[in-house]
Amino acid sequence: AQTVTQSQPEMSVQEAETVTLSCTYDTSENNYYLFWYKQPPSRQMILVIRQEAYKQQNATENRFSVNFQKAAKSFSLKISDSQLGDTAMYFCAFMNMGGSEKLVFGKGTKLTVNP
Amino acid sequence: GAVVSQHPSWVICKSGTSVKIECRSLDFQATTMFWYRQFPKQSLMLMATSNEGSKATYEQGVEKDKFLINHASLTLSTLTVTSAHPEDSSFYICSAAPGRNEQYFGPGTRLTVT
Repeated sequence: AQTVTQSQPEMSVQEAETVTLSCTYDTSENNYYLFWYKQPPSRQMILVIRQEAYKQQNATENRFSVNFQKAAKSFSLKISDSQLGDTAMYFCAFMNMGGSEKLVFGKGTKLTVNP
Repeated sequence: GAVVSQHPSWVICKSGTSVKIECRSLDFQATTMFWYRQFPKQSLMLMATSNEGSKATYEQGVEKDKFLINHASLTLSTLTVTSAHPEDSSFYICSAAPGRNEQYFGPGTRLTVT
C-alpha cells in the first residue's frame, strides 16, 4: 500500500518570502500522479499543482513549483513570494495511474504567512 | 469548470435520526465519486468509493450499514448517515472524478449530532 509522509506539521513564513513544504511517499508502482492540495480556513480543498511521475520536468503553476525526485520518492512544494492568502493546510497526495483514482493523503502541513 | 456542490453545508440532527448529504458535479459527469471524513486538524480519511449504478466500495473499518451511499446518476451521489450518534459528528467531504485521474472536491458538510 502506498503511504505519504509530511514531516512538518506546522510552518510559518514572512510575507513575500519563499517556503518549501516537504513530502515523501512510498510505492512500488512506476506510473502515478502526485498532487498538492490547499485547504484554507473555508475547508474547500483546492488543487495547487499536479505532477505526472513519467514526466521529468517539475510542474510549475505561477508562484508554486515542485521539486520531484522520483528515485528518492520526494515531492516538495515551493511557494515563492508568499502571500497572506497562502495561509492554509497543505496536503500532499498520491494517486496510482490507471487504478481506481483513489487519493492517498499525507497528514498535512499547516502554513501560516505572517505580515 | 469542474464545480462540485454539496448540500447541506451544515446540518444539526438529533441522536438516532438519519441525515442525507448530497454531492453533485455541476458541469461534468463523474464516473466515480468519493466520500471522505475529516476530523479537526486532521487529514482526509477516505470512507468509500462509489461508481454510478453499482454498489459502493467501503474502506476497511467503515460501517456500510451506517453510512449508506447511493450513486444514482453520473452527477449525483448521496451519503446517508443512519441512526446518527454524537461520535458521527464530523466534516464530510465528497469529490468527483471525471475519469482523467483528477478529483474535484465539494465544499464539505459539517454534521453535528446532538
